[in-house]
Amino acid sequence: AQSVAQPEDQVNVAEGNPLTVKCTYSVSGNPYLFWYVQYPNRGLQFLLKYITGDNLVKGSYGFEAEFNKSQTSFHLKKPSALVSDSALYFCAVRDQNYGQNFVFGPGTRLSVLP
Amino acid sequence: NAGVTQTPKFQVLKTGQSMTLQCAQDMNHNSMYWYRQDPGMGLRLIYYSASEGTTDKGEVPNGYNVSRLNKREFSLRLESAAPSQTSVYFCASSTPFEAFFGQGTRLTVV
Repeated sequence: AQSVAQPEDQVNVAEGNPLTVKCTYSVSGNPYLFWYVQYPNRGLQFLLKYITGDNLVKGSYGFEAEFNKSQTSFHLKKPSALVSDSALYFCAVRDQNYGQNFVFGPGTRLSVLP
Repeated sequence: NAGVTQTPKFQVLKTGQSMTLQCAQDMNHNSMYWYRQDPGMGLRLIYYSASEGTTDKGEVPNGYNVSRLNKREFSLRLESAAPSQTSVYFCASSTPFEAFFGQGTRLTVV
């Protein structure tokens, strides 16, 4: 079975500081990994994905994430946080070899303080 | 290009009432999904459809039914609404490499 853990319900960071939102996953096969962002009263917007290749993937709005197979992690990072980055962030996994589903983590609320 | 369109955006039901949430996508995707979002629970899969004419249960299917009417449309029906079904519902469609979401339906059952 596939699962995703986001160990932090809330992450607070000062504007201009680097941010990290953590994600670990479990799949039986090889993973496709994703980050989505949700602003208040909106649907989920795609940020970035890891399918294959380079372990460091870059996405929208200056975000990046690093796939670490040995630690089964896919942490989201940004070098310099903006107040406008404040939102709910979801990590998701899809097993390449099993099923059609995107399995989502519980979400991490990021607050960037001015 | 509208992407994934859900209707309605808001709905209040009384316990025991029925309703259908509508979803349509214009991206020619085979796969479509219904999720519910509850605080601290992330998105939980209710039903999905891998292709036109097929549907499968997800993590939380009880109390719901779905219809994949054609490739574009995937509806979710609550036959007898319960307060536990108060939630935000999201429809999505996908390629193997990316899921696209509608804006959500905020449903309250009183």
